[in-house]
Formats: sequence, C-alpha cells, structure tokens
Amino acid sequence: SQTIHQWPATLVQPVGSPLSLECTVEGTSNPNLYWYRQAAGRGLQLLFYSVGIGQISSEVPQNLSASRPQDRQFILSSKKLLLSDSGFYLCAWSVLIGAEAFFGQGTRLTVV
Amino acid sequence: TQLLEQSPQFLSIQEGENLTVYCNSSSVFSSLQWYRQEPGEGPVLLVTVVTGGEVKKLKRLTFQFGDARKDSSLHITAAQPGDTGLYLCAGARSNDYKLSFGAGTTVTVRA
Repeated sequence: SQTIHQWPATLVQPVGSPLSLECTVEGTSNPNLYWYRQAAGRGLQLLFYSVGIGQISSEVPQNLSASRPQDRQFILSSKKLLLSDSGFYLCAWSVLIGAEAFFGQGTRLTVV
Repeated sequence: TQLLEQSPQFLSIQEGENLTVYCNSSSVFSSLQWYRQEPGEGPVLLVTVVTGGEVKKLKRLTFQFGDARKDSSLHITAAQPGDTGLYLCAGARSNDYKLSFGAGTTVTVRA
C-alpha cells in the first residue's frame, strides 16, 4: 500500500533562517506531488505541484521554492524565512493530476 | 475570490441532529471530492463524485453532485461527536485539472 511521510511535524525557526521540509511517498511510481499551506482552520492554498522528476509548477509568487530530486521525494525550501511564512504545510500525492489527493501529517511551522 | 465557496463556515449542532454542508462554484468540475480533517492532521478523503446528479452514501453521510457539476452537498444524518472536524470540498476543473480546495466548514457536534 502507498504511504506518505512528511517531516518534521513541528518546527520553530527564526526570521531570516533557511527552511527545508521533506516529503517522501512509498508504494507507487511517478506520483503527482503537491505542497499546500493552510491557515488555521481554513482551506488549503496550493503552493507547488510536480508531475515528474525535476518538474515544478508554482501557483503563487512567494518566498518559498520546491524541488523534486527523486521520483518520490518532494522538498519545500526557503533561503530566508519571513514571519508570514508561518502556517501548516501539507504534502500530498495523487495518481492523476487533479484526482484524489492523499496527505501527509503536516508540518506546523512557526517563524519567530 | 475562492473557486469553491463552502457554506456555512461554522456549524454547531447537538448529537442526533442532521446537518448539511454546501460547496458551490460558477465553474464546471470534472470531479469533486470531500475530505475531513482533524486538528494537527492532514485531510482524509471521504468520497469522490464524478457524474452530474450522482448521489453517494457512506454510512450516515450522503454526498450529492449537482446536475451541472458546479456544486455539491454533504448531508450527515444523526450526527455524532465523532463527526466533529473540518470538512473540505475540492475539485479539479475540466480545463486545468489542478485540485482546488474550498475554505472549509468547521462542524462541531455536542454530546
């Protein structure tokens, strides 16, 4: 069966520090991968998605970037965090783009 | 503006009551999904509807996809405290296939 791992679960980082969140998927090949951000108790904002290795589509201009160095690995990064980068970050995968998404447990990021 | 509008934003009911959550859009969707999310966790898929007019039942939950594939509803019969959570609808439009989410409805069922 397929599983998705996302880490760390929580992170507190100072303003101006770098960020690296990692997500890996097991049990499937060539998944579509997504990074979402969620404000407290609200809907999900799509940040990045990838349909294959090295391919990244960005949905909103921001202080973040994403990379897909391997088929089942998706990384969210920042060179210098801003206070506004705080939030709940979710990684997800799907078989087809736009189809049912399966989510990781999320990372609660607090920038102080 | 949100592609998918969910209403109401918050819903608090007594155990045993029924509730309905709505998800509306001016766009046509190739499919719509409903997820439930608990605090501090990722959303979990409940159902996908793909055919206009489709009705799907999952125990006490009934999901309906509008005939024009622009809207959907989630109805819970005899709600229980375990139904408490954030309910999210999501859909992919026929022309771009990216999965967009509504803002969610926070449901609280009081014992």
